[in-house]
Amino acid sequence: QVQLVESGGGVVQPGRSLRLSCEASGFTFRSHGMHWVRQAPGKGLEWVAVISYDGSNEYYASSVKGRFTISRDNSKKTLYLQMDTLRADDTAVYYCAKGIPISGSPQYGMDLWGQGTTVTVSS
Amino acid sequence: DIVMTQSPLSLPVTPGEPASISCRSSQSLLDSNGFNYLDWYLQKPGQSPQLLIYLGSKRASGVPDRFSGSGSGTDFTLRLSRVEAEDVGVYFCMQGAQAPFTFGPGTKVEIK
Repeated sequence: QVQLVESGGGVVQPGRSLRLSCEASGFTFRSHGMHWVRQAPGKGLEWVAVISYDGSNEYYASSVKGRFTISRDNSKKTLYLQMDTLRADDTAVYYCAKGIPISGSPQYGMDLWGQGTTVTVSS
Repeated sequence: DIVMTQSPLSLPVTPGEPASISCRSSQSLLDSNGFNYLDWYLQKPGQSPQLLIYLGSKRASGVPDRFSGSGSGTDFTLRLSRVEAEDVGVYFCMQGAQAPFTFGPGTKVEIK
């Protein structure tokens, strides 16, 4: 079955860390760039980060650069998002998504999305 | 960062009638190979987003042919030839030409 399944969300205090995971199945994971996209409650979509097929290139949104780290383990078909120094405005549903090309940038065609995992940053 | 704008932000539609959404970028999304790095996504109520159009005009697998994308450079349009009730939701454009990638604010489509 072709799918992405996120996990790792939860409630965390400001300033703390959290690591999200996204397990892929049903496609050749190592052949695609992978993204994290988030959606704050009642808001639109915000692109967060992308990693190239082999992990050699990473790019980040300005709002998370220096605090979040995207990584992947192709042997485990898993994408990660390490989130440090979390803030209240990081509260959102976090989606992982598969891009069409292998590159980090440019990118296009997020053609497979997970169901999302919710992160709530609150004291 | 490239700024994406969409219009309208709200679009009441009548089933069977056509509809269109405009998306503009603050910088050109056209590269030297002739590719426009502009995608369209639809997020239906309570669901994850789904890809409709990529590279400006290429319809994603399984997307009905009533959806079409056009445009180049900084101006793009998503057209629905005949709106159906299942097309309601929020439509987003996104640029992938230059990281950090950016989404438009979204256009909410609802039935009149």
